[in-house]
Amino acid sequence: ETGVTQTPRHLVMGMTNKKSLKCEQHLGHNAMYWYKQSAKKPLELMFVYSLEERVENNSVPSRFSPECPNSSHLFLHLHTLQPEDSALYLCASSQLTGERGDIQYFGAGTRLSVL
Amino acid sequence: QKEVEQDPGPLSVPEGAIVSLNCTYSNSAFQYFMWYRQYSRKGPELLMYTYSSGNKEDGRFTAQVDKSSKYISLFIRDSQPSDSATYLCAMSPYAGGTSYGKLTFGQGTILTVHP
Repeated sequence: ETGVTQTPRHLVMGMTNKKSLKCEQHLGHNAMYWYKQSAKKPLELMFVYSLEERVENNSVPSRFSPECPNSSHLFLHLHTLQPEDSALYLCASSQLTGERGDIQYFGAGTRLSVL
Repeated sequence: QKEVEQDPGPLSVPEGAIVSLNCTYSNSAFQYFMWYRQYSRKGPELLMYTYSSGNKEDGRFTAQVDKSSKYISLFIRDSQPSDSATYLCAMSPYAGGTSYGKLTFGQGTILTVHP
């Protein structure tokens, strides 16, 4: 496996379900990100983990709960979602060196549909 | 005013055409500028990366940054059907040490190159 892997690729869930999205990076990076991509809107940054500590939470509703057990894995736990949460959820990773801008590498995403 | 503005298109060109994609921005702190390409059902992949003002060329692709005008461009020469994708501009301020530099994305431009 190389790069950033996300599972599942597609997920359909009801508003009362609980599910989790998984992301694994094989690049040896020290930062991981969750983004939401909706049609005709820019990528929205949700959470950032740097060295396994959450460093940003962009006013995301509490029905989204991130978890970063180690530098290679990132989860997004979902519960009682709303239909407007249907979107493509992208995971990314980067290596923070302070020498240049933050080049992020993305997974293929999880297409989430909330019924 | 959005921090980054990008014409969403869609843009349709014949094979072999020169394509120009553009973004404007308002935050003068941005120093790192990137173009990502996103194929359908895939995550964004880094295409070009530039620092500050100037040009950078990579094969058929040229990225230009004009910080005085807060304007960046991506040119694609001899466009191919395989270039059909959504192109996202992204930019970030300086990231010192291990502090991450938050990426701000444009909306993305949908490009179709027809044979």
